[in-house]
Amino acid sequence: DSGVTQTPKHLITATGQRVTLRCSPRSGDLSVYWYQQSLDQGLQFLIQYYNGEERAKGNILERFSAQQFPDLHSELNLSSLELGDSALYFCASSTNNEQFFGPGTRLTVL
Amino acid sequence: GQNIDQPTEMTATEGAIVQINCTYQTSGFNGLFWYQQHAGEAPTFLSYNVLDGLEEKGRFSSFLSRSKGYSYLLLKELQMKDSASYLCAPNNAGNMLTFGGGTRLMVKP
Repeated sequence: DSGVTQTPKHLITATGQRVTLRCSPRSGDLSVYWYQQSLDQGLQFLIQYYNGEERAKGNILERFSAQQFPDLHSELNLSSLELGDSALYFCASSTNNEQFFGPGTRLTVL
Repeated sequence: GQNIDQPTEMTATEGAIVQINCTYQTSGFNGLFWYQQHAGEAPTFLSYNVLDGLEEKGRFSSFLSRSKGYSYLLLKELQMKDSASYLCAPNNAGNMLTFGGGTRLMVKP
């Protein structure tokens, strides 16, 4: 158990819909990262927050957005969903260099 | 930009030794991570190299050569449970990890 929690574990929705994925970092970690992993693909970095502020952006679509709240939990919002958005979405947190990953949310868009 | 190259698949026999190589090109460098990922599960930390040389941790060792942009992960006394993907991830100056596509290791009896 990494100490990072993500909800929900599974999410099934339809094209065009909007969903919110939630992540609670390890106690004391200020940085939160979001990654997307499509079937048989590598981990694609989406976005990083540090203590409530956006720190770095990867290949994140404009339809996707995220935020980190004062209690340090983070949410990833995915809108106008397409079939290709079906993937595992991981959240990770860190204090120094090592990133600890949550169990992921498996999103299926039908 | 970042470019990471590691073999897509490898097969080895239980009890043997396997070496997974990774070459990388990165803008800014702040160490290199190796993660293990079983299918459908979260990546788990294996090792972190900042300086050149070999870091040994039980059955797993990791080597780094910063001048060559090269690292390898060495797994000894392979067990069936070691069948997984192994992800090489350089850490850039902004503490951002870039993951390679991973090497899928299959351990056979």
